[in-house]
Amino acid sequence: AQSVTQPDIHITVSEGASLELRCNYSYGATPYLFWYVQSPGQGLQLLLKYFSGDTLVQGIKGFEAEFKRSQSSFNLRKPSVHWSDAAEYFCAVVPGNTPLVFGKGTRLSVIA
Amino acid sequence: NAGVMQNPRHLVRRRGQEARLRCSPMKGHSHVYWYRQLPEEGLKFMVYLQKENIIDESGMPKERFSAEFPKEGPSILRIQQVVRGDSAAYFCASSLGHQETQYFGPGTRLLVL
Repeated sequence: AQSVTQPDIHITVSEGASLELRCNYSYGATPYLFWYVQSPGQGLQLLLKYFSGDTLVQGIKGFEAEFKRSQSSFNLRKPSVHWSDAAEYFCAVVPGNTPLVFGKGTRLSVIA
Repeated sequence: NAGVMQNPRHLVRRRGQEARLRCSPMKGHSHVYWYRQLPEEGLKFMVYLQKENIIDESGMPKERFSAEFPKEGPSILRIQQVVRGDSAAYFCASSLGHQETQYFGPGTRLLVL
């Protein structure tokens, strides 16, 4: 079945440490790829997106993501996490002529 | 440039009542999407509308749920005869065109007592 998988339900990192959130998809063709962030009680904010071209995408708040076709992955990274990055992160894809399909999310906690 | 607006932000209904959720897209956007988020879950697509037309309602429950996006005014998601299982956060998103980036509103959190 076509799906988006975020294997890590909850991740805790220390402030200043690096971060990588994993996302894998299972679609035949390369979909459009997105990362959104949701703070508690809030809506979703777009961090970055990949449609085509350079496979390393820069986003807001110092985030980047790399599309790897061979691994069907679109992992989100940040070199140094800030306490304000604590939130829920969702990977999403548009597989084709269909709406956004979301992963179940990864909750990020940041400790001092 | 205002973002996507949703109201109310919180809505409490008793079982059997009707819930009306409103969404005003970003200025210039004519494509609207509704998603539902259950606790500890990601967002699930419900319906995609373009002014006065339902384009894709494959995610809408077959009964009690309906959506519209009139020529004038906001998009409305209507839930009739609510049940406890309808308790969730409902998010609206809008885009400039089909398959363009979707921008999300703050959501309406529905609680059914």
